[in-house]
Amino acid sequence: QKEVEQDPGPLSVPEGAIVSLNCTYSNSAFQYFMWYRQYSRKGPELLMYTYSSGNKEDGRFTAQVDKSSKYISLFIRDSQPSDSATYLCATVGADKLIFGTGTRLQVFP
Amino acid sequence: GAGVSQSPSNKVTEKGKDVELRCDPISGHTALYWYRQRLGQGLEFLIYFQGNSAPDKSGLPSDRFSAERTGESVSTLTIQRTQQEDSAVYLCASSPHFSRHYEQYFGPGTRLTVT
Repeated sequence: QKEVEQDPGPLSVPEGAIVSLNCTYSNSAFQYFMWYRQYSRKGPELLMYTYSSGNKEDGRFTAQVDKSSKYISLFIRDSQPSDSATYLCATVGADKLIFGTGTRLQVFP
Repeated sequence: GAGVSQSPSNKVTEKGKDVELRCDPISGHTALYWYRQRLGQGLEFLIYFQGNSAPDKSGLPSDRFSAERTGESVSTLTIQRTQQEDSAVYLCASSPHFSRHYEQYFGPGTRLTVT
């Protein structure tokens, strides 16, 4: 079993939709959870990180962690074509990041 | 301010040749990481430098891979006797402090193609 699992998609939504991106993880000891956005042929860009359970909001983005079910989510409100990218979830394990494989999101006008 | 920079952006090399990839971290960042991203796969940790301490090399896939960092500045990742399976994007990231692994900032990567 991979330590972090993520549906690769692709996920295709119309502009203005609410997008839900999800990951599961295996180790209950993980405490920090991150979401990165990666445009084609670019490096990953840190969107936000959360600690333990709960929600964190930044503009149109909300990250949610449910430690009881080992489930992390990223919600994008009012999605825009410029949000089209691959979204990577990650956690910290043994002093390094452990990534999911990424979900490709396409927002069409 | 300036972000993480990497060079070259693209590198094509013949099987068996050595290659050297360079990373310039964000100024003042004490932690530096190298990752590999193969097509359609997630990022794979390679090595981690924390200030002047011994690096964590636990992710290096073979002894053909090595990396150096001088103090808290530039790092180079060297792959000797390249193989076709080494073809990937090599990403470098830096973090303000070794305790903040959750806050890593990535460079644009070096796309390595081994023919």
